[in-house]
Amino acid sequence: GENVEQHPSTLSVQEGDSAVIKCTYSDSASNYFPWYKQELGKRPQLIIDIRSNVGEKKDQRIAVTLNKTAKHFSLHITETQPEDSAVYFCAAKPYMEYGNKLVFGAGTILRVKS
Amino acid sequence: EADIYQTPRYLVIGTGKKITLECSQTMGHDKMYWYQQDPGMELHLIHYSYGVNSTEKGDLSSESTVSRIRTEHFPLTLESARPSHTSQYLCASSPRETGRSPLHFGNGTRLTVT
Repeated sequence: GENVEQHPSTLSVQEGDSAVIKCTYSDSASNYFPWYKQELGKRPQLIIDIRSNVGEKKDQRIAVTLNKTAKHFSLHITETQPEDSAVYFCAAKPYMEYGNKLVFGAGTILRVKS
Repeated sequence: EADIYQTPRYLVIGTGKKITLECSQTMGHDKMYWYQQDPGMELHLIHYSYGVNSTEKGDLSSESTVSRIRTEHFPLTLESARPSHTSQYLCASSPRETGRSPLHFGNGTRLTVT
């Protein structure tokens, strides 16, 4: 089955700097990769996702890159702000198989210092 | 507003009690899930359902049970709660499509067993 590893487990950056969180996956059949943000005391929420037929996707200050050959994908946050402080989870899932489920990474605590 | 609702938000109970955590969604999603989230952040899938009368155990062994009698309702029951069940329980749902099928999470139930 799929196994997703996420690094780093904690990340502190200065406001305005960039933050990068990396994930690797094991199952080459996985081709859907969402990222979730969970603020303290709140529910995880989808912030961006990517399918394997694209290498990069961007939404304002957030971007995700995917390297299918190396089986890793990354979240990039530019111009970080204090409200970006949260736990971020990556996940992977095979695209077409109805019976497969999202496999989550262990999470990264991002702290943006002002 | 279409959303996924969990009750209660917080619950403190004594050992040996039977409890049911409620989860309902008004988004018409076929798939529903229960995750257990430790203080260490990781999301562990404990049960899932792909539709009415369909339930499966997840990746993490759990002493809880679930039922799916109606599409919108996916309650989780602990027959005899123990301190080891203390955790946050997150319910989620996703649409039937096999491609981009992001999870929508509820606000969670924080359970404490004394």
